[in-house]
Amino acid sequence: QKEVEQDPGPLSVPEGAIVSLNCTYSNSAFQYFMWYRQYSRKGPELLMYTYSSGNKEDGRFTAQVDKSSKYISLFIRDSQPSDSATYLCAMGGFTGGGNKLTFGTGTQLKVEL
Amino acid sequence: NAGVTQTPKFRILKIGQSMTLQCAQDMNHNYMYWYRQDPGMGLKLIYYSVGAGITDKGEVPNGYNVSRSTTEDFPLRLELAAPSQTSVYFCASRGAQKQGKETQYFGPGTRLLVL
Repeated sequence: QKEVEQDPGPLSVPEGAIVSLNCTYSNSAFQYFMWYRQYSRKGPELLMYTYSSGNKEDGRFTAQVDKSSKYISLFIRDSQPSDSATYLCAMGGFTGGGNKLTFGTGTQLKVEL
Repeated sequence: NAGVTQTPKFRILKIGQSMTLQCAQDMNHNYMYWYRQDPGMGLKLIYYSVGAGITDKGEVPNGYNVSRSTTEDFPLRLELAAPSQTSVYFCASRGAQKQGKETQYFGPGTRLLVL
């Protein structure tokens, strides 16, 4: 079993839709959680991060963490064609060195006009 | 402030050749990382560094070496290139949290093809 599971998609939605992207994890040591956006042939860009269970909102994006279920989500409201990208979840713990992250495989999102 | 830069952008290597992928950051970040990204496989950590002179292996270090002689530079060395090393390589840096703000940046990547 992978430490982090993420549905690869592709996920296609109409413009204006609410998008839900999800990851599950198995390692209880993970304490902080991140979402990255990666456009085609570009490096990942940090989108959201959170260190606790609950919701964190930033504009049209909401990150949700449920540590009891080992489940994290990213919601995108009023989705735009410019949101079309691959979204990667990542997580890490405070034990060990290097603040290393474990990444999901990414979900490919396409927002259509 | 250029962020994280990587060179070259693309390279074709023959089996058995060697090369160095360059990575530099100008943000004075202590942490630096090398990842490889294969289709459908996410990002796998190759090596990382917590500061100048300190490096450690990640999840997939075999066939690679790194050095960190300065805070700014973190080159990745491929010795005896193999087709399994065909991938996109990303360098990243991470700074200390400031006022709850996470500072982490990826470079644009190096596409490597080993034939």
